[in-house]
Amino acid sequence: EMQLVESGGGLVQPGRSLRLSCVASGFTFEDSVIHWVRQAPGKGLEWVSGIRWNIGSMDYAASVKGRFTISRDNAKNSLYLQMNSLRDEDAALYYCVKALRDNWAAGFDYWGQGTLVTVSS
Amino acid sequence: DIQMTQSPSSLSASVGDRVTITCRASQSINYFLNWYQQKPGTAPNLLIYETSSLQRGVASRFSGSGSGTDFTLTISGLQPEDFATYYCQQSYGTPYTFGQGTKLEIK
Repeated sequence: EMQLVESGGGLVQPGRSLRLSCVASGFTFEDSVIHWVRQAPGKGLEWVSGIRWNIGSMDYAASVKGRFTISRDNAKNSLYLQMNSLRDEDAALYYCVKALRDNWAAGFDYWGQGTLVTVSS
Repeated sequence: DIQMTQSPSSLSASVGDRVTITCRASQSINYFLNWYQQKPGTAPNLLIYETSSLQRGVASRFSGSGSGTDFTLTISGLQPEDFATYYCQQSYGTPYTFGQGTKLEIK
C-alpha cells in the first residue's frame, strides 16, 4: 500500500526555520514526482513545491521561492522541505502528495495526513 | 499564474439530487483539470483527473467534462457521504493552482 507520512511541523516564531520530512513507502520513490501542498486553517489548497525525483528538477510557488528548499534522500525514501524566514502566512497544514502515474502534469493521487506548521511570536 | 474560479462557492442539495459544480480557468489548460473531494479533518481525495477520467475506486456517479477553460463536475444521485468540499485544480503548468472550493451541504 502506498503511504506518505509527514513530520516536523510545530510552533515557530516569525523569521525562524523549520524542516518538514515525508517518508514514502509502497512505491518506487526514485521514479516518482512528489509535491508539497498546504492548507491554511479553514482555507483552500495551495501548491508549494514539487520535485521530479529521477532528474532532480524542482519548482516553487512564488510565495516561497528563495525561502523554501525541497530536497530528497533516495536511500531513505524521504522528501524534505526546508523552510526559512517563516512568515505568518506560512502557517498551514502541509501535505506531502504523490503525482498520479509519476507524471509532472498530473493530479495528486496519494496524500499524507499532513503536518501542522504554526507561525507565531 | 493561472487562476481557477469555481462556482458556486456553496451549494445545498438533497440525497438523490444531481448537482453540477463548474470551474473556469483564466487561460486554456487543455484537459489538465483535476477534481478533489475533501471531508473535514481529512486530506483531499482525487476524484477525476484529466477532465473526465475517474480515479480508481471512485464511485461512477461522479463524472467530469469540459476542455480549454470551462469544466464541470457532476454528481448524479447524491449520497450522504458526498457532502463535502470540492476543489478543482489545474496541472497544465506550475504554479499548480486550485479553485477556492465548493462546499456541498445537505438541504
